[in-house]
Amino acid sequence: DAKTTQPPSMDCAEGRAANLPCNHSTISGNEYVYWYRQIHSQGPQYIIHGLKNNETNEMASLIITEDRKSSTLILPHATLRDTAVYYCIVRVRTSGTYKYIFGTGTRLKVLA
Amino acid sequence: GAGVSQSPSNKVTEKGKDVELRCDPISGHTALYWYRQSLGQGLEFLIYFQGNSAPDKSGLPSDRFSAERTGGSVSTLTIQRTQQEDSAVYLCASSLVFPADTEAFFGQGTRLTVV
Repeated sequence: DAKTTQPPSMDCAEGRAANLPCNHSTISGNEYVYWYRQIHSQGPQYIIHGLKNNETNEMASLIITEDRKSSTLILPHATLRDTAVYYCIVRVRTSGTYKYIFGTGTRLKVLA
Repeated sequence: GAGVSQSPSNKVTEKGKDVELRCDPISGHTALYWYRQSLGQGLEFLIYFQGNSAPDKSGLPSDRFSAERTGGSVSTLTIQRTQQEDSAVYLCASSLVFPADTEAFFGQGTRLTVV
């Protein structure tokens, strides 16, 4: 199965861009990359997903390298409320079914 | 309801007892997913349903775990003869279609503590 690797923690100054990297070197074919975040005690919240092209929505941008072996989630102007654990996820097709494989997550702390 | 609802929100049970966790997905969502999050760990995918069918059960940690979904709506995750290592937050998610090329919506989870 494709596996994602993320740094365990990162700090970011409030108002600055937060760039969260993810390695998924074994990704293949039509496997999508998803990002979710989990704010303390809450259920995971969807942020963005992509396949090959860079994506942008009201929350974030997703930059996927051309070889698709890594991606970066960008929060353009981090706020204190963005403090959370961010999960990079690969959706893997295996034996005709799908699995969502979560990484261990990056604990982002936004500092005032 | 507007979101995915899970019950109970907290469950404390004695080792060896059976527990049943319930998930009410968003109305009309055909896909339903179960995850587990142990203390300090990431999210672990357990099983998904497409309608009432669960094509792949290999993510379930052991044969003490089972899940079913009826009427394409409510799902229950059952853990028999609970062990202390089963203590975790069990999360349920649903999405409009399967596979979810859009977001899956998560419930708040059931915190299971086995004592």
